[in-house]
Amino acid sequence: ETGVTQTPRHLVMGMTNKKSLKCEQHLGHNAMYWYKQSAKKPLELMFVYSLEERVENNSVPSRFSPECPNSSHLFLHLHTLQPEDSALYLCASSQGDSTTGELFFGEGSRLTVL
Amino acid sequence: GQNIDQPTEMTATEGAIVQINCTYQTSGFNGLFWYQQHAGEAPTFLSYNVLDGLEEKGRFSSFLSRSKGYSYLLLKELQMKDSASYLCAVMDSNYQLIWGAGTKLIIKP
Repeated sequence: ETGVTQTPRHLVMGMTNKKSLKCEQHLGHNAMYWYKQSAKKPLELMFVYSLEERVENNSVPSRFSPECPNSSHLFLHLHTLQPEDSALYLCASSQGDSTTGELFFGEGSRLTVL
Repeated sequence: GQNIDQPTEMTATEGAIVQINCTYQTSGFNGLFWYQQHAGEAPTFLSYNVLDGLEEKGRFSSFLSRSKGYSYLLLKELQMKDSASYLCAVMDSNYQLIWGAGTKLIIKP
């Protein structure tokens, strides 16, 4: 138990569907992140929120839309995805931004796009 | 470009010692991290090195040489539960984490 909870753990969707991934952290951290993890590839940072403000968007396609309503919750809204978007999506949190180092990850949401 | 290299897969025997290497080329350096990720689970923090030398934490140790752009994670007295992927990450001059693709460690009885 890392203190970061992601739902759903598994998701299968068609290319025309709309779905959302949810992340909740119980650690009192003030920064939250979305990462994409594909097999045998490095983690790819997608979005960073610090104090509920988006501070980084690493050129992610607009079919991925993040939302951070408060410092404990983070969503990733998915719309008209492509098969190549199939991956494990990891949420993480930290106290301060990543300059302080340690990230606390959730177990991820395994997404399959048909 | 920025690059982190680590072996894709390693195999070791229970009770033995294994060393997982990580070499990096980044724009600046503000520390190197090792994370452990069991299959289907969250990555968890193992170690952080910012100065040269060896940091020991129980059965796990992490070494850094900034001049060589090199680190290793040393696991002693291997146990079956150590079977996992080990991720190396470097924080660059912009405090961005650059990740390696991970090393899958397989422990055999």
